[in-house]
Amino acid sequence: DTAVSQTPKYLVTQMGNDKSIKCEQNLGHDTMYWYKQDSKKFLKIMFSYNNKELIINETVPNRFSPKSPDKAHLNLHINSLELGDSAVYFCASSRPLGGSTDTQYFGPGTRLTVL
Amino acid sequence: GENVEQHPSTLSVQEGDSAVIKCTYSDSASNYFPWYKQELGKRPQLIIDIRSNVGEKKDQRIAVTLNKTAKHFSLHITETQPEDSAVYFCAASQRSYGQNFVFGPGTRLSVLP
Repeated sequence: DTAVSQTPKYLVTQMGNDKSIKCEQNLGHDTMYWYKQDSKKFLKIMFSYNNKELIINETVPNRFSPKSPDKAHLNLHINSLELGDSAVYFCASSRPLGGSTDTQYFGPGTRLTVL
Repeated sequence: GENVEQHPSTLSVQEGDSAVIKCTYSDSASNYFPWYKQELGKRPQLIIDIRSNVGEKKDQRIAVTLNKTAKHFSLHITETQPEDSAVYFCAASQRSYGQNFVFGPGTRLSVLP
């Protein structure tokens, strides 16, 4: 099942480093998301893009910067990584207006560990 | 903005019994309510969803009910099996430009053999 894919699957890095996570969907969806899932399993939305336009930008440190080169891709760049950034990051996609379904599909997740 | 609460946070049932998880939402404009199952180390996967123009939907052992007036919806799993053990999330969404999903905090279901 490669409808929504993310790379890398695991990311272990030192505090202060800069890292990127990539996401791609081949479902033809218009909207893509980044979620953070912490150790308590809360799924918290970070960003949402619709057709490359930033729609939702929750209260996230500006060290996190999403980039959507086209509507099939949404990448997440994180500067100056901190211990509290350790979590699983999920990419997701869905199709609002004009679509026949609202279903949201998740990528496999990227487990980020900051040492 | 939308706020979704979910109860209970943990639920243990004997195999073969039923399990019920309840969610409430705050924004009456929400019109789409999916349920996700997340197994350990895996991605959340949609198991059933319901739209606001429907009061109940069933798919084999899983059913969802929606009470728009009271702004709550529930997941019902009958004849539970050990493979039903997972974390279940409810969510509320509006079908609009920039569709946003607000998730409940999750329910850890354990089905005991």
